[in-house]
Amino acid sequence: AQSVTQLGSHVSVSEGALVLLRCNYSSSVPPYLFWYVQYPNQGLQLLLKYTTGATLVKGINGFEAEFKKSETSFHLTKPSAHMSDAAEYFCAVSDPLGNEKLTFGTGTRLTIIP
Amino acid sequence: GAVVSQHPSWVICKSGTSVKIECRSLDFQATTMFWYRQFPKQSLMLMATSNEGSKATYEQGVEKDKFLINHASLTLSTLTVTSAHPEDSSFYICSAGPSTDTQYFGPGTRLTVL
Repeated sequence: AQSVTQLGSHVSVSEGALVLLRCNYSSSVPPYLFWYVQYPNQGLQLLLKYTTGATLVKGINGFEAEFKKSETSFHLTKPSAHMSDAAEYFCAVSDPLGNEKLTFGTGTRLTIIP
Repeated sequence: GAVVSQHPSWVICKSGTSVKIECRSLDFQATTMFWYRQFPKQSLMLMATSNEGSKATYEQGVEKDKFLINHASLTLSTLTVTSAHPEDSSFYICSAGPSTDTQYFGPGTRLTVL
């Protein structure tokens, strides 16, 4: 079984400051890892994903995440927050040998302070 | 990029009626689609896996007779909420992907049962 823990249901950062959203996972097999963003009343948009290879993954909108196997983490970062980054962010994990099913974390609401 | 559409985007119905939600993959074929439910300010909970040409696989605790899923073609899956009640009010989201490490999400359908 797989699970995802997102520390901090709400995170507030000032515009221009570093964004750090935490994600830890539990998986019995090397997982695929994802970060999705959700704007109000919309579906989810993929920010980035890790499958294999380079552990530092770059995504859209200036976001990146690093897969750290030893820490079972996949934290999401962005060097400089923008007002448009305000949204809900979900970390997810899937089993590469499974049926594409995603297991989501509980989400982190990011607020940007002007 | 690949797009997944949902129809309708929102629906209001009376208690006891049935509501059908469509999920379409617009530029790829999907043998598997997923249906999620999201309560306000909460994460996505997988309801079921829709399999083209065969029965859907439901997650534990999801009533298959209440949430009927039909995956009649490689681009269309439907979720029918039968005999809807106010507690079924929620945001329903589908996803589909052309490969095991890529899932695209629909924009969601907000169901309100009066």
